[in-house]
Amino acid sequence: KNQVEQSPQSLIILEGKNCTLQCNYTVSPFSNLRWYKQDTGRGPVSLTIMTFSENTKSNGRYTATLDADTKQSSLHITASQLSDSASYICVVDRYSGGGADGLTFGKGTHLIIQP
Amino acid sequence: GAVVSQHPSWVICKSGTSVKIECRSLDFQATTMFWYRQFPKQSLMLMATSNEGSKATYEQGVEKDKFLINHASLTLSTLTVTSAHPEDSSFYICSARTTAMWNTEAFFGQGTRLTVV
Repeated sequence: KNQVEQSPQSLIILEGKNCTLQCNYTVSPFSNLRWYKQDTGRGPVSLTIMTFSENTKSNGRYTATLDADTKQSSLHITASQLSDSASYICVVDRYSGGGADGLTFGKGTHLIIQP
Repeated sequence: GAVVSQHPSWVICKSGTSVKIECRSLDFQATTMFWYRQFPKQSLMLMATSNEGSKATYEQGVEKDKFLINHASLTLSTLTVTSAHPEDSSFYICSARTTAMWNTEAFFGQGTRLTVV
């Protein structure tokens, strides 16, 4: 069964601190892995997309890593800001080859940044 | 990045009425759009795939007669919740891809909070 598991479920850190979110997946076949940021009551916004051959990708203070052998990914947030408070969703894309959407979503990690 | 606009952002309706939600790709043509439903603290669940000019493909367990999807143009898809009931209250999100390839970026709308009373 294609699944994406994220940990921790929720996380509270102080402003300015760093944090790392984890994602494990069992999706097959694998095309790419994406990290999205979803503010409460809003749609997801893309942070990074990594294909099989990419080990790391950065977007400002966000750095994602991918280990396709162990099927693990992480999202590291540096020098957190209050605006980073949101849910972070790991999404794995598989090549479906047909007409159906190939995205499998994790439940997300709810991150709260405290001043 | 590309912009997907969803309207309305929230709606309250009476039980038994129908509600239409629009999803527009503002600066690109979307041959394929997707409709999701998200319950609190849950992941996005795909409801259906909408292809321009053809019938939508519904996921198992999603009633096609209740959730009507129309994708009449390359920039607009609509989801109509017919005879809405309180259990249909949820957060509905659309997304669009620029082509039919499956490794392209997916852009999401801002979501629609539906409350059925």
